Amino acid sequence: NAGVMQNPRHLVRRRGQEARLRCSPMKGHSHVYWYRQLPEEGLKFMVYLQKENIIDESGMPKERFSAEFPKEGPSILRIQQVVRGDSAAYFCASSPSASRQTGQDYGYTFGSGTRLTVV
Amino acid sequence: DAKTTQPPSMDCAEGRAANLPCNHSTISGNEYVYWYRQIHSQGPQYIIHGLKNNETNEMASLIITEDRKSSTLILPHATLRDTAVYYCIVRVAKAAGNKLTFGGGTRVLVKP
Repeated sequence: NAGVMQNPRHLVRRRGQEARLRCSPMKGHSHVYWYRQLPEEGLKFMVYLQKENIIDESGMPKERFSAEFPKEGPSILRIQQVVRGDSAAYFCASSPSASRQTGQDYGYTFGSGTRLTVV
Repeated sequence: DAKTTQPPSMDCAEGRAANLPCNHSTISGNEYVYWYRQIHSQGPQYIIHGLKNNETNEMASLIITEDRKSSTLILPHATLRDTAVYYCIVRVAKAAGNKLTFGGGTRVLVKP
């Protein structure tokens, strides 16, 4: 029973390139959340998606960042024209829909993250 | 979600109990207290959660005061592998889409 899978684990991009981060939620989970952790800082919420819909993107930078969760396949966090300040760990989490959450509500399950380094 | 306050850091001796406090004086009646931890470079890991009763699982115990304005996470026999940042979060449970808001957490260092 695989957990939340993120790939790649490490990604190096030159300034101006595009970065694509992938997240496959746990089996049966239909909600995906992306968080960013800058070096020596806490985790910051970026975006919450359900299949084919962005529900809450209040934490997403206004430019260059986008996210999707297509009907088939993993969720993608896309960063265009990366800059050095985008260097961070990006974590994905998933959860089941409210109707499927049991009495044992474990909240979110997080992946191991993608560490993006912009050079 | 209600805001939480935690000490920035604490040390603990290996084999001893670690007691991690958390203040959440503005917690609402339908909000649960959740604890997560983040071991260096890894994704956050769920530990335990509770509403008003004390809770215990294989990892830890959670003690919530009667007025629910504060709580304590107890690691009964701390090991070196428990060195991590521990986050106390309050949120409405079973509400899909209710994002987690992480504060600064408590950096726990377990020493041999």
